[in-house]
Order: sequence, then C-alpha cells, then structure tokens
Amino acid sequence: GAGVSQSPRYKVAKRGQDVALRCDPISGHVSLFWYQQALGQGPEFLTYFQNEAQLDKSGLPSDRFFAERPEGSVSTLKIQRTQQEDSAVYLCASSVTTGSGELFFGEGSRLTVL
Amino acid sequence: QKEVEQNSGPLSVPEGAIASLNCTYSDRGSQSFFWYRQYSGKSPELIMSIYSNGDKEDGRFTAQLNKASQYVSLLIRDSQPSDSATYLCAVRGTYKYIFGTGTRLKVLA
Repeated sequence: GAGVSQSPRYKVAKRGQDVALRCDPISGHVSLFWYQQALGQGPEFLTYFQNEAQLDKSGLPSDRFFAERPEGSVSTLKIQRTQQEDSAVYLCASSVTTGSGELFFGEGSRLTVL
Repeated sequence: QKEVEQNSGPLSVPEGAIASLNCTYSDRGSQSFFWYRQYSGKSPELIMSIYSNGDKEDGRFTAQLNKASQYVSLLIRDSQPSDSATYLCAVRGTYKYIFGTGTRLKVLA
C-alpha cells in the first residue's frame, strides 16, 4: 500500500475484553514501532520490531500488552483484559531501515474502554 | 526529568509573525532530531529533520540544533492559520524515537 494502514480506526471495548489492533506498514519497511498517545500528550514508545524480531518491548505498560510481527510485515498489538487506562490512540509507524530518518505514521487506532 | 521536554503552550502568534518552538533533550548520545506536525485527530507528519549543529532551512521552516546545549528549535516564518497544530519534537538515539509532549500553536488571523 501507499502508506501505513491501521485497523480498526475506532474500537470500543468493555472493561475486561481483549482487543487486537492491526498495522500494515509500508511495503519493504524494516523497522516498525508502536506508540500510545493519550489525549494532549505526545506519542509514548511501546515496542520496536526490526523485521520479525521484537528488539525492544520496554515501553509495554504491563504483561497484558503483547505485540507480534511474525513474517516481518503486518504487526498486531494485542491488549488483554482491557482497563479504562488503556483508552488512547495507538499509533503504528514504520521506517525503511534501522536508524534511518523519517518515521511514517498510520492514522492510528482509537481505543475507548468503557 | 522527561527525556524530551517541550512547553505545552498554547503559543499564540498573529498571522504573518514568526513562531518559535523549543525543545530540550536529556540524552547526549542522541543522533537525530525531528519536528512533526500533528493536526487534531490526525497522525504526526514530518516537517523537518536535522542531524548536525546549526541551522537547516526548508521554505518557511528553519530547524536549529545545538548539541552542546541539548537544544532544538523550530522557527516558522510568515505563520499562517493553517499552521495551527501541535508540533512534536522527536529525538532518536540508536533506533528509538522519543517524542516530547508537543507544543500547541495557534496562529490568529
């Protein structure tokens, strides 16, 4: 695709439900990042993939958060037993190579936990 | 201390004026510096990147970097109402991009 694609764009979950957020990066992009952005805040780093390898998951808030990129392209961020504090926009971004310049962002998935 | 700090604003400037946005960072090993613009409800988009000390100009935008002072700035000349947005400073070390909280800019017509 032409850009980074994320789905769903909007998700409403009841507290305790599991959710899965999908990211389809720009074709050929090696690096993939997940960020969490709360209202009025900057994007907060969650995790980083280089191809299929998850090299850094230090930003994941708890063990309820899990991310994967099994074939080095599409990535899924899964949140188990959602809590109200998980409500945020989840941004996926990709770049051509590790250490290269521009991050290209998807439109984000807005999660609301009731 | 946050790794990347910005004044949250709002910064209000009249149309046609120069808007000056500032950012400081804590990691001296940071290698690359970026300014992203984010409109409300949209995702961040890259405005400028800068890698070495000094100024870098692109149209109405000038990025300034001072590694000794750990300071990055963005100047927007001839500000337009369409420049009203949140401006995010991002700093990259080896691979991780760390963002500030953003400065909200309002350009008054």
